[in-house]
Amino acid sequence: DTEVTQTPKHLVMGMTNKKSLKCEQHMGHRAMYWYKQKAKKPPELMFVYSYEKLSINESVPSRFSPECPNSSLLNLHLHALQPEDSALYLCASSQEGGVGITQHFGDGTRLSIL
Amino acid sequence: AQTVTQSQPEMSVQEAETVTLSCTYDTSESDYYLFWYKQPPSRQMILVIRQEAYKQQNATENRFSVNFQKAAKSFSLKISDSQLGDAAMYFCAYRSFLIKAAGNKLTFGGGTRVLVKP
Repeated sequence: DTEVTQTPKHLVMGMTNKKSLKCEQHMGHRAMYWYKQKAKKPPELMFVYSYEKLSINESVPSRFSPECPNSSLLNLHLHALQPEDSALYLCASSQEGGVGITQHFGDGTRLSIL
Repeated sequence: AQTVTQSQPEMSVQEAETVTLSCTYDTSESDYYLFWYKQPPSRQMILVIRQEAYKQQNATENRFSVNFQKAAKSFSLKISDSQLGDAAMYFCAYRSFLIKAAGNKLTFGGGTRVLVKP
């Protein structure tokens, strides 16, 4: 069982739709991450939140909008996506430092853009 | 910037035998963390093993062990007594020790697919 829960598991949307991906953890972690992963490739970091504040944005297009409403929740709002945005989106969480810096990943959301 | 290289796109192993996955990295830092993650077809990235660079002793986790050669910047993973459930993509990853150095970023290698033959 994963300690980082992502919903939905699968999402199909058109290029004009607006949808959101959700990530939740209850491990008391204060750092949360969004990754994009294409088939047979490693995950690519998109955003990092530290203590509910955006600390890293890896030059992600504005059609992806992250939100961290509280320390347990992380959302990724999607709008006007392109077919090349079809991928597996992974959420992860970790402590900020010390022995707890290992990132724990969710199962991911498989996103398909029509 | 740090880079992580996994030179073996795919490795095949007979059930119950041993396989070793290679990983090399490039960094100018003296303190850092190294990880091996496993990603089965179920998609979840699962931590296999972690090594702190300041520790000389190689990390071990049940059937998984690493050979950490700091001077050579090498971090290989040995899977002993391979099981069918070990079939997955394996990613090597690097993280700076200091958050200010590179934030909370993991740098991943390209991955090695492990096939286990019954």
